[in-house]
Amino acid sequence: IAGITQAPTSQILAAGRRMTLRCTQDMRHNAMYWYRQDLGLGLRLIHYSNTAGTTGKGEVPDGYSVSRANTDDFPLTLASAVPSQTSVYFCASSRTSEGEQFFGPGTRLTVL
Amino acid sequence: GQNIDQPTEMTATEGAIVQINCTYQTSGFNGLFWYQQHAGEAPTFLSYNVLDGLEEKGRFSSFLSRSKGYSYLLLKELQMKDSASYLCAVRDADYKLSFGAGTTVTVRA
Repeated sequence: IAGITQAPTSQILAAGRRMTLRCTQDMRHNAMYWYRQDLGLGLRLIHYSNTAGTTGKGEVPDGYSVSRANTDDFPLTLASAVPSQTSVYFCASSRTSEGEQFFGPGTRLTVL
Repeated sequence: GQNIDQPTEMTATEGAIVQINCTYQTSGFNGLFWYQQHAGEAPTFLSYNVLDGLEEKGRFSSFLSRSKGYSYLLLKELQMKDSASYLCAVRDADYKLSFGAGTTVTVRA
């Protein structure tokens, strides 16, 4: 079934640990995005990639890094997790940067 | 940047109509999206407006006025399954989306 998958579904992490959230899409979409969703704040863009090999910073990039080695995968890494990074993380993709975005099921991350 | 406002909560009766308003202030406008998000699930696309006017899609319609920085999502013939959060998102000149905090709609029998 075509779509976007994210792993893990949920994770509890100790502060200071390194964590990579995985995102894979099989729709051959060029553009991919990472958002975090916090109560009362809505979805906020962390990083994006308009095409394989390129990445850019969104609204809240600090403490996060991404890579886009190929079209399908767009991992998000927290180098040293802090409690303020507790959130639900959604990966999204679109055929081009101008297109409608499709969202993955999300990863619920708790940093203690 | 973007400043997007929408009501936090709305309640309506099954079979009724509900209108969710969204106002925005933007440094560059390249379209407005509405997404539906059920609790614990991913947002799903509902509608897109880039020109002024009304876009109709079955029971859902979306309206845009660029000069007023205003949009609304109209949900007709409400069903229990329409209970969800509705997210207004504005796309800027660089094609990045900024989301409002969302409006939680509760449909009562």
